[in-house]
Amino acid sequence: GESVGLHLPTLSVQEGDNSIINCAYSNSASDYFIWYKQESGKGPQFIIDIRSNMDKRQGQRVTVLLNKTVKHLSLQIAATQPGDSAVYFCAEPGTSGANSKLTFGKGITLSVRP
Amino acid sequence: DTGVSQNPRHKITKRGQNVTFRCDPISEHNRLYWYRQTLGQGPEFLTYFQNEAQLEKSRLLSDRFSAERPKGSFSTLEIQRTEQGDSAMYLCASSYRADYGYTFGSGTRLTVV
Repeated sequence: GESVGLHLPTLSVQEGDNSIINCAYSNSASDYFIWYKQESGKGPQFIIDIRSNMDKRQGQRVTVLLNKTVKHLSLQIAATQPGDSAVYFCAEPGTSGANSKLTFGKGITLSVRP
Repeated sequence: DTGVSQNPRHKITKRGQNVTFRCDPISEHNRLYWYRQTLGQGPEFLTYFQNEAQLEKSRLLSDRFSAERPKGSFSTLEIQRTEQGDSAMYLCASSYRADYGYTFGSGTRLTVV
């Protein structure tokens, strides 16, 4: 079946360092991926998305890389700040098409050390 | 408009009781979604509305669950005869048309004791 999963449950980084969060997906037909950030007590917040016709997309301090060959995507956060501490999810709509129903991975906790 | 609003934020109920949650989406968003999230997991899709029409329901949504969006604005999610396994965060999200970057509310945390 389709699944979206993350390699590691937790990631601890030093403030100012770069963070890399990885995600694997199993549905080779997936053509759209989204990264969400969820802070304690809040709902998920959209960070950045990427379509399968791209292999890289940059935002403000964040970059998403997509490797369709190995069905892997990553979220890179530059100069990690304490405010980046949160749980990060990758998500994809799979074959839900226009319904835009998302399948989320399990989440990885990013902890930023001062 | 301050985003998607969910009430209550927390609900503790005894097993077997009925509970109802409310979601007020962003006013111009015609799509509304309900998700459930348990500790350490990503949100799981429950159901989706386009305006007042409920277009899709997950198999997770048992007969004890019902959702409505009577006027295409706010939505309610009711759980009848709650079970301990229903304890979770219930998230609502809304979007404009097929915009994937939809906005989540802060959720309602349900604890069934």
